[in-house]
Amino acid sequence: GNSVTQMEGPVTLSEEAFLTINCTYTATGYPSLFWYVQYPGEGLQLLLKATKADDKGSNKGFEATYRKETTSFHLEKGSVQVSDSAVYFCALGGNFGNEKLTFGTGTRLTIIP
Amino acid sequence: SAVISQKPSRDICQRGTSLTIQCQVDSQVTMMFWYRQQPGQSLTLIATANQGSEATYESGFVIDKFPISRPNLTFSTLTVSNMSPEDSSIYLCSVSQGGTGNTIYFGEGSWLTVV
Repeated sequence: GNSVTQMEGPVTLSEEAFLTINCTYTATGYPSLFWYVQYPGEGLQLLLKATKADDKGSNKGFEATYRKETTSFHLEKGSVQVSDSAVYFCALGGNFGNEKLTFGTGTRLTIIP
Repeated sequence: SAVISQKPSRDICQRGTSLTIQCQVDSQVTMMFWYRQQPGQSLTLIATANQGSEATYESGFVIDKFPISRPNLTFSTLTVSNMSPEDSSIYLCSVSQGGTGNTIYFGEGSWLTVV
Protein backbone atom coordinates (compact mmCIF):
# COMPACT_ATOMS: atom_id res chain seq x y z
CA GLY A 1 0.00 0.00 0.00
CA ASN A 2 0.89 3.66 -0.05
CA SER A 3 3.13 5.14 2.62
CA VAL A 4 4.97 8.38 3.33
CA THR A 5 8.11 8.67 5.41
CA GLN A 6 8.87 12.13 6.64
CA MET A 7 11.81 13.64 8.42
CA GLU A 8 11.44 13.46 12.17
CA GLY A 9 11.13 16.68 14.07
CA PRO A 10 11.17 18.98 15.75
CA VAL A 11 13.42 21.17 13.66
CA THR A 12 14.71 24.48 15.01
CA LEU A 13 16.44 26.98 12.76
CA SER A 14 17.57 30.56 12.94
CA GLU A 15 15.88 33.14 10.77
CA GLU A 16 17.28 33.28 7.21
CA ALA A 17 18.66 29.73 7.43
CA PHE A 18 18.18 27.20 4.63
CA LEU A 19 15.46 24.63 5.20
CA THR A 20 15.13 21.07 3.96
CA ILE A 21 12.46 18.67 5.19
CA ASN A 22 12.87 15.21 3.69
CA CYS A 23 9.96 13.18 2.40
CA THR A 24 10.05 9.82 0.64
CA TYR A 25 7.14 7.70 -0.47
CA THR A 26 6.05 4.25 -1.52
CA ALA A 27 3.19 3.99 -3.97
CA THR A 28 1.77 2.12 -6.90
CA GLY A 29 0.89 3.94 -10.07
CA TYR A 30 1.45 7.65 -10.54
CA PRO A 31 0.41 9.52 -7.43
CA SER A 32 0.33 13.24 -6.84
CA LEU A 33 2.42 14.62 -4.02
CA PHE A 34 1.56 17.43 -1.66
CA TRP A 35 2.95 19.52 1.15
CA TYR A 36 0.45 20.86 3.66
CA VAL A 37 1.16 23.32 6.45
CA GLN A 38 -0.60 23.69 9.79
CA TYR A 39 0.04 26.94 11.63
CA PRO A 40 -0.48 27.01 15.40
CA GLY A 41 -4.15 26.71 16.27
CA GLU A 42 -5.27 26.46 12.65
CA GLY A 43 -6.38 23.82 10.20
CA LEU A 44 -4.51 22.40 7.24
CA GLN A 45 -3.53 24.53 4.25
CA LEU A 46 -2.16 23.32 0.96
CA LEU A 47 1.35 24.69 0.53
CA LEU A 48 2.31 23.18 -2.82
CA LYS A 49 1.79 20.15 -5.00
CA ALA A 50 3.26 18.22 -7.94
CA THR A 51 1.31 15.85 -10.12
CA LYS A 52 3.96 14.05 -12.17
CA ALA A 53 7.64 13.18 -12.23
CA ASP A 54 10.05 16.13 -12.44
CA ASP A 55 7.29 18.62 -11.65
CA LYS A 56 8.32 21.34 -9.22
CA GLY A 57 5.74 22.77 -6.88
CA SER A 58 6.39 26.18 -5.39
CA ASN A 59 4.65 28.69 -3.13
CA LYS A 60 5.66 31.36 -0.61
CA GLY A 61 9.35 30.69 -1.32
CA PHE A 62 8.99 26.95 -0.67
CA GLU A 63 9.82 24.43 -3.39
CA ALA A 64 9.64 20.67 -3.82
CA THR A 65 10.48 18.54 -6.85
CA TYR A 66 8.77 15.23 -7.60
CA ARG A 67 11.67 12.77 -8.02
CA LYS A 68 10.41 9.43 -9.24
CA GLU A 69 13.87 7.85 -9.41
CA THR A 70 14.44 8.46 -5.70
CA THR A 71 10.72 8.41 -4.73
CA SER A 72 11.21 11.72 -2.93
CA PHE A 73 9.51 15.09 -2.56
CA HIS A 74 11.77 17.09 -0.26
CA LEU A 75 10.61 20.54 0.86
CA GLU A 76 13.12 23.40 0.64
CA LYS A 77 13.25 27.09 1.35
CA GLY A 78 16.27 29.28 0.91
CA SER A 79 15.69 31.72 3.76
CA VAL A 80 13.14 30.95 6.48
CA GLN A 81 11.24 33.50 8.52
CA VAL A 82 9.75 33.37 11.99
CA SER A 83 6.31 33.26 10.37
CA ASP A 84 7.21 29.90 8.78
CA SER A 85 7.01 28.24 12.19
CA ALA A 86 4.39 25.53 11.78
CA VAL A 87 3.92 21.79 11.30
CA TYR A 88 4.57 20.56 7.76
CA PHE A 89 2.95 17.41 6.38
CA CYS A 90 4.00 15.54 3.27
CA ALA A 91 1.12 13.66 1.65
CA LEU A 92 0.53 11.29 -1.23
CA GLY A 93 -2.59 10.68 -3.17
CA GLY A 94 -4.59 11.82 -6.12
CA ASN A 95 -4.31 8.87 -8.44
CA PHE A 96 -7.13 9.50 -10.85
CA GLY A 97 -10.36 8.50 -9.16
CA ASN A 98 -8.66 8.03 -5.79
CA GLU A 99 -8.39 11.23 -3.83
CA LYS A 100 -7.68 9.75 -0.42
CA LEU A 101 -4.49 11.16 1.04
CA THR A 102 -1.81 9.29 2.94
CA PHE A 103 0.06 11.59 5.30
CA GLY A 104 3.50 11.56 6.79
CA THR A 105 3.88 12.04 10.51
CA GLY A 106 4.48 15.78 10.24
CA THR A 107 7.55 17.87 11.04
CA ARG A 108 7.31 20.68 13.56
CA LEU A 109 9.44 23.63 12.48
CA THR A 110 10.39 26.46 14.80
CA ILE A 111 12.25 29.51 13.54
CA ILE A 112 14.02 31.66 16.09
CA PRO A 113 14.86 35.32 15.45
CA SER B 1 -10.58 26.53 -5.09
CA ALA B 2 -13.19 25.36 -2.63
CA VAL B 3 -14.08 27.16 0.59
CA ILE B 4 -15.02 24.78 3.38
CA SER B 5 -16.84 25.77 6.56
CA GLN B 6 -16.94 23.47 9.55
CA LYS B 7 -19.13 23.76 12.63
CA PRO B 8 -18.46 23.73 15.48
CA SER B 9 -14.92 25.02 15.35
CA ARG B 10 -14.32 23.97 18.96
CA ASP B 11 -16.28 22.21 21.65
CA ILE B 12 -15.87 20.63 25.02
CA CYS B 13 -18.00 17.52 25.34
CA GLN B 14 -19.07 15.32 28.19
CA ARG B 15 -18.08 11.68 28.21
CA GLY B 16 -20.83 9.44 26.81
CA THR B 17 -22.47 12.12 24.70
CA SER B 18 -22.51 12.46 20.91
CA LEU B 19 -21.66 15.45 18.75
CA THR B 20 -22.40 16.14 15.11
CA ILE B 21 -19.92 18.13 13.02
CA GLN B 22 -21.12 19.87 9.90
CA CYS B 23 -19.14 20.52 6.73
CA GLN B 24 -20.43 22.96 4.12
CA VAL B 25 -18.66 23.62 0.81
CA ASP B 26 -19.24 26.66 -1.36
CA SER B 27 -19.37 24.60 -4.57
CA GLN B 28 -20.37 21.13 -5.67
CA VAL B 29 -17.62 18.60 -5.11
CA THR B 30 -17.16 15.05 -6.23
CA MET B 31 -15.75 13.57 -3.07
CA MET B 32 -15.82 14.46 0.60
CA PHE B 33 -13.69 12.89 3.30
CA TRP B 34 -13.42 12.99 7.06
CA TYR B 35 -10.05 12.83 8.81
CA ARG B 36 -9.04 12.68 12.44
CA GLN B 37 -5.92 14.24 13.92
CA GLN B 38 -5.22 13.12 17.45
CA PRO B 39 -3.08 15.42 19.63
CA GLY B 40 0.44 15.67 18.26
CA GLN B 41 -0.28 13.12 15.56
CA SER B 42 -0.70 13.04 11.82
CA LEU B 43 -3.99 12.80 10.00
CA THR B 44 -5.86 9.52 9.62
CA LEU B 45 -8.71 9.02 7.18
CA ILE B 46 -11.95 7.98 8.88
CA ALA B 47 -14.20 7.57 5.85
CA THR B 48 -15.26 8.75 2.44
CA ALA B 49 -18.68 10.38 2.46
CA ASN B 50 -20.63 9.17 -0.56
CA GLN B 51 -23.53 11.21 -1.84
CA GLY B 52 -26.76 9.29 -1.63
CA SER B 53 -25.27 6.12 -0.19
CA GLU B 54 -23.53 4.79 2.89
CA ALA B 55 -20.05 6.09 3.70
CA THR B 56 -16.98 3.96 3.04
CA TYR B 57 -15.02 3.46 6.26
CA GLU B 58 -11.31 2.83 6.66
CA SER B 59 -9.92 0.02 8.73
CA GLY B 60 -10.42 0.69 12.42
CA PHE B 61 -13.44 2.97 12.01
CA VAL B 62 -17.07 1.82 12.12
CA ILE B 63 -20.41 3.35 11.27
CA ASP B 64 -21.85 2.92 14.75
CA LYS B 65 -19.13 5.11 16.22
CA PHE B 66 -18.81 7.61 13.36
CA PRO B 67 -22.10 7.83 11.42
CA ILE B 68 -21.79 10.05 8.37
CA SER B 69 -24.38 11.68 6.17
CA ARG B 70 -24.02 13.30 2.78
CA PRO B 71 -27.40 14.45 1.50
CA ASN B 72 -26.05 16.48 -1.44
CA LEU B 73 -22.89 17.56 -3.26
CA THR B 74 -22.06 20.45 -0.90
CA PHE B 75 -22.79 19.17 2.61
CA SER B 76 -21.81 16.37 4.97
CA THR B 77 -21.98 15.59 8.67
CA LEU B 78 -19.87 13.41 10.92
CA THR B 79 -21.19 12.30 14.30
CA VAL B 80 -18.83 11.17 17.02
CA SER B 81 -20.94 8.85 19.16
CA ASN B 82 -20.67 7.89 22.82
CA MET B 83 -17.54 9.95 23.23
CA SER B 84 -14.61 9.10 25.47
CA PRO B 85 -11.45 11.11 26.19
CA GLU B 86 -9.69 9.10 23.47
CA ASP B 87 -11.95 10.83 20.94
CA SER B 88 -10.40 14.20 21.78
CA SER B 89 -9.04 15.21 18.39
CA ILE B 90 -9.30 17.61 15.52
CA TYR B 91 -11.81 16.36 12.98
CA LEU B 92 -11.24 17.69 9.48
CA CYS B 93 -13.49 17.71 6.46
CA SER B 94 -11.74 17.44 3.12
CA VAL B 95 -13.05 17.80 -0.43
CA SER B 96 -11.94 16.95 -3.92
CA GLN B 97 -13.36 18.19 -7.18
CA GLY B 98 -12.07 15.15 -9.06
CA GLY B 99 -9.67 14.62 -11.95
CA THR B 100 -6.04 13.71 -12.28
CA GLY B 101 -3.77 15.71 -10.00
CA ASN B 102 -6.72 17.39 -8.41
CA THR B 103 -6.16 19.52 -5.33
CA ILE B 104 -7.66 18.33 -2.09
CA TYR B 105 -8.85 21.09 0.25
CA PHE B 106 -9.37 20.99 3.99
CA GLY B 107 -11.65 22.79 6.37
CA GLU B 108 -10.19 24.48 9.41
CA GLY B 109 -11.15 21.57 11.59
CA SER B 110 -13.37 20.96 14.58
CA TRP B 111 -11.35 20.76 17.78
CA LEU B 112 -13.12 18.47 20.23
CA THR B 113 -12.12 17.91 23.83
CA VAL B 114 -13.91 15.16 25.75
CA VAL B 115 -13.94 15.46 29.53
